[in-house]
Amino acid sequence: NAGVMQNPRHLVRRRGQEARLRCSPMKGHSHVYWYRQLPEEGLKFMVYLQKENIIDESGMPKERFSAEFPKEGPSILRIQQVVRGDSAAYFCASSTGTGVLYEQYFGPGTRLTVT
Amino acid sequence: GENVEQHPSTLSVQEGDSAVIKCTYSDSASNYFPWYKQELGKGPQLIIDIRSNVGEKKDQRIAVTLNKTAKHFSLHITETQPEDSAVYFCAASDYAGNMLTFGGGTRLMVKP
Repeated sequence: NAGVMQNPRHLVRRRGQEARLRCSPMKGHSHVYWYRQLPEEGLKFMVYLQKENIIDESGMPKERFSAEFPKEGPSILRIQQVVRGDSAAYFCASSTGTGVLYEQYFGPGTRLTVT
Repeated sequence: GENVEQHPSTLSVQEGDSAVIKCTYSDSASNYFPWYKQELGKGPQLIIDIRSNVGEKKDQRIAVTLNKTAKHFSLHITETQPEDSAVYFCAASDYAGNMLTFGGGTRLMVKP
């Protein structure tokens, strides 16, 4: 039973480059959430997606950040023209749905370093 | 929006003692309160959760209590062991499966 998978686990980008982070949800899960964790801080919600739909992107910065969850393949969090302040751990979580019973399970994260 | 505060930020206990971590939340619409354990270099692991229709839930050495009137909930770990050392996060949501608002975390250190 594979859990939530994220790759790469570590990503180094220079300022101005693009970062692409991938998340494969647990088997049977169709809901994906992205969170960001700055050093020594809690996790902050970024975006919530279902297959081919963005449900809630209230936590996404207005510029440079985008997310998708296509019908086939992993969910992608894309950061264009990265800046040093984007350095953080990005976690993906998945669930089977929304409602009383649907807990979120997290992946191991991608640690992005912008030099 | 929801705001979750967590205390203490660090907690050191002797092996075998109990540990208590407390969280308060601001949005009375919140009904789902999970707790996550995060070990160094890993993702958060769900360890227990509670929904607003109950006041307490136990799972072996771990228990969570919820006071909806006062808008606070707590994690209790009994008979702590060195492997309990980690960062613990509380969170709140209006329902499971929706966005979670996390507290700032508690670094628990269990000394052998």
